[in-house]
Amino acid sequence: DSGVTQTPKHLITATGQRVTLRCSPRSGDLSVYWYQQSLDQGLQFLIQYYNGEERAKGNILERFSAQQFPDLHSELNLSSLELGDSALYFCASSVGGQTDGYTFGSGTRLTVV
Amino acid sequence: AQSVTQPDIHITVSEGASLELRCNYSYGATPYLFWYVQSPGQGLQLLLKYFSGDTLVQGIKGFEAEFKRSQSSFNLRKPSVHWSDAAEYFCAVGGAGGFKTIFGAGTRLFVKA
Repeated sequence: DSGVTQTPKHLITATGQRVTLRCSPRSGDLSVYWYQQSLDQGLQFLIQYYNGEERAKGNILERFSAQQFPDLHSELNLSSLELGDSALYFCASSVGGQTDGYTFGSGTRLTVV
Repeated sequence: AQSVTQPDIHITVSEGASLELRCNYSYGATPYLFWYVQSPGQGLQLLLKYFSGDTLVQGIKGFEAEFKRSQSSFNLRKPSVHWSDAAEYFCAVGGAGGFKTIFGAGTRLFVKA
């Protein structure tokens, strides 16, 4: 157990639907990062939050959004889902910035049918 | 532009043999370099990281990595591979000042008896 908790572990949904992925960072970590892992794109950085504020944005689609709450847990919202959104979504956390190295959760496998 | 290249998509080594996984990076400033390991169905686990100081870095599970600035490389090594080391290994580069951590495409390690 890495200390980063992601729920749910698996999610199957239909095209056009909206889902929410949840992440609880390791105790004491203030930064949360979201990554998408797919066979053709590899690990793609989506977005980072630090202590409730958006800190950096990567290749995140406009259909996707995220937030970090006062208790530091984070949610990634994916809407108008397409088949191509099927992937593993990882949350990672760190104490401060990304130079600390990350602690990853075990991921949420999203399948869009 | 910031990039990470792992030239080998997969490598097969015999149990007990030595291992070297290659990583080359491109980065405009002083990089933070990382190696992560991902076992099937799991999230990524940090093996080691380098920012400054001794160019030979020791990590967990008996791994080490050597930073060579002149070659823009950060290769991962292990003197004697165990069957449990079979996994996918990711090299990553990041930095301070808001630069996003970028991951390589990964090298899958197979260990044969």
